[in-house]
Order: sequence, then C-alpha cells, then structure tokens
Amino acid sequence: DQQVKQNSPSLSVQEGRISILNCDYTNSMFDYFLWYKKYPAEGPTFLISISSIKDKNEDGRFTVFLNKSAKHLSLHIVPSQPGDSAVYFCAARDNAGNMLTFGGGTRLMVKP
Amino acid sequence: KAGVTQTPRYLIKTRGQQVTLSCSPISGHRSVSWYQQTPGQGLQFLFEYFSETQRNKGNFPGRFSGRQFSNSRSEMNVSTLELGDSALYLCASSLAPGLNEKLFFGSGTQLSVL
Repeated sequence: DQQVKQNSPSLSVQEGRISILNCDYTNSMFDYFLWYKKYPAEGPTFLISISSIKDKNEDGRFTVFLNKSAKHLSLHIVPSQPGDSAVYFCAARDNAGNMLTFGGGTRLMVKP
Repeated sequence: KAGVTQTPRYLIKTRGQQVTLSCSPISGHRSVSWYQQTPGQGLQFLFEYFSETQRNKGNFPGRFSGRQFSNSRSEMNVSTLELGDSALYLCASSLAPGLNEKLFFGSGTQLSVL
C-alpha cells in the first residue's frame, strides 16, 4: 500500500509557463515533506521542503503548498525552464523522525 | 569534496546468484541509507545505518541485508536473486539520521537479473 502517491507519471509544459506537480499521502503521522529532483544517471538531489505547521514554502522559482486536510501537496515551478526537465519525487517523513517514504515520481518535460 | 560513490555502476546477474553493492559516503558523513528504485514504484527504503548499527529497516525480505563499517562505508547484499530484484539501488549519506535536506545520493548501481 503506497502511502505517498504521485498520480501523474509524466507532465509536459511549455517553457515559461507554470509546472504543477502533485502528491497525495495517506499517513496522518507524516509531518515533514520534501521534493527531490533526479536527472538521468544521477542520484536525486534535495529541492525544497515544508513542515506540517506551514501551508506554503517558497524558494526562488519553486513553491511547495501543503493542504493537510486533503493530505495533498504540490510543487509549483514558475517560470518553467528546459533545465527543469527531470523526474521529481515527493517524500514524507513521520513525526518519529523515521525514514523517508517516497512517491513514484513524475517526469517533467519542459519544451523550449 | 568527493560525493557519494557507489560501485559497481552496472551489474548483470542471473537468478539464484548473490550480489554485493558498495557505497562510500561523503567524508564525515556517518549515516548511510539504501533505496531501491523501480519504474513506477519510486524509491523504496531498504535500510539505514548509523555508526555501524542498523537504525531502520524497510519492508524487504531477509534476502536483503546490509552492514556498515567503522569508516562509515556500507555494503548491501542480496542473496538468491530474483527477476524482480532488477532495479537501481541508491545509497544516500548524511552527517546524522534525520537530516533529510542534507541527504546526498550517489548515482546508483543498476542491477539487472536475468
């Protein structure tokens, strides 16, 4: 049973437009959420995170929104750039500080 | 500073064989965790080691095992390989457990089981 789900395996966006990547979770014990970005032949790298006490966190072009009642988070990239083309994983950590639980990933393609 | 190094980069094995994968963390990092990546399943947690002790273990059969050495290098072993074990195995290191923003991944070992 997947506790963290990314229902869109892929997303295609035009350069300059907004990319919205979604993530749903089921475990109410999750209190910290992260997004990682992965290029082919490389390991994932940390992108942005949000604590459950917040509903928004912004870092440059990247903003993560958290809706606790819906158990949903989203990553917004504005404006999207071709270099953003990668696989994006959302991850969640429970309040016991245990290991991360990852979603299945969404492949983002930003077209020039 | 060198990143997380995983060897070998690629492996081809046959069913029933066993395999050992190696991970050298970033210098000074004492926490090492392992993940399995398969298409559509994302990254699934295998185990986490800190100071040579297994701190957490994911939901994998006993055929998957690991260890950490005093220099923080880690190995994972898979015995009696099955076709479904074909995956990218990623190692990540951090200074200590729980520092998820400071989790650095290696490029992985791509295991193919024939």
